[in-house]
Amino acid sequence: DIQMTQSPSSVSASVGDRVTITCRASQGISSWLAWYQQKPGKAPKLLIYAASSLQSGVPSRFSGSGSGTDFTLTISSLQPEDFATYYCQQANSFRLTFGGGTKVEIK
Amino acid sequence: QVQLQQSGPGLVKPSQTLSLTCAISGDSVSSNSAAWNWIRQSPSRGLEWLGRTYYRSKWYNDYAVSVKSRITINPDTSKNQFSLQLNSVTPEDTAVYYCARDLIAVAPGRYYYYGMDVWGQGTTVTVSS
Repeated sequence: DIQMTQSPSSVSASVGDRVTITCRASQGISSWLAWYQQKPGKAPKLLIYAASSLQSGVPSRFSGSGSGTDFTLTISSLQPEDFATYYCQQANSFRLTFGGGTKVEIK
Repeated sequence: QVQLQQSGPGLVKPSQTLSLTCAISGDSVSSNSAAWNWIRQSPSRGLEWLGRTYYRSKWYNDYAVSVKSRITINPDTSKNQFSLQLNSVTPEDTAVYYCARDLIAVAPGRYYYYGMDVWGQGTTVTVSS
């Protein structure tokens, strides 16, 4: 299976900060990567698909980039509602896998 | 608007079978662009994709290696829903289980993945005697 490694596992930031989360695949996955946001007690919410395409209704402060094995999710100006856990997920193989998550906490 | 509604027991005894159902509204389990997934989440295993079913002229299933010998995901076209069966459960199968739709465009020489855009509400399943 393709392993997905996220870093950092947690980050403390303030409202207005720029936050970058990294996801690395154990082998090349082209651009078949999605990013999700999850808040406590809720299902994950799709933010980005195909590495850089913004899901409808998601604020433009969220952006994704990368291809091959290295990907990033950037929040350009952190808002109070963005404090949550973020996950990457690859879809290059028939067996999907998620990263371990990055918790964005209030500094 | 597509919605997924999960149902099933929250408590299963060890060695028994975990069974959950996900009812679809606003889309069809037989859609040629959707796949219907089961994912679980626990503190020890994080988000773990279990498998999916989808229709592309015939029915297909993909399963995670970790559960492949114990899992069955079946579509039910008469009720527009799909189900998860996980056999021989142990306490390690205790988790929140989610169903989700992902959209995939596949044609000769073309593939495009649109992500898991619709999720069920989650079902907490505890494996305990």
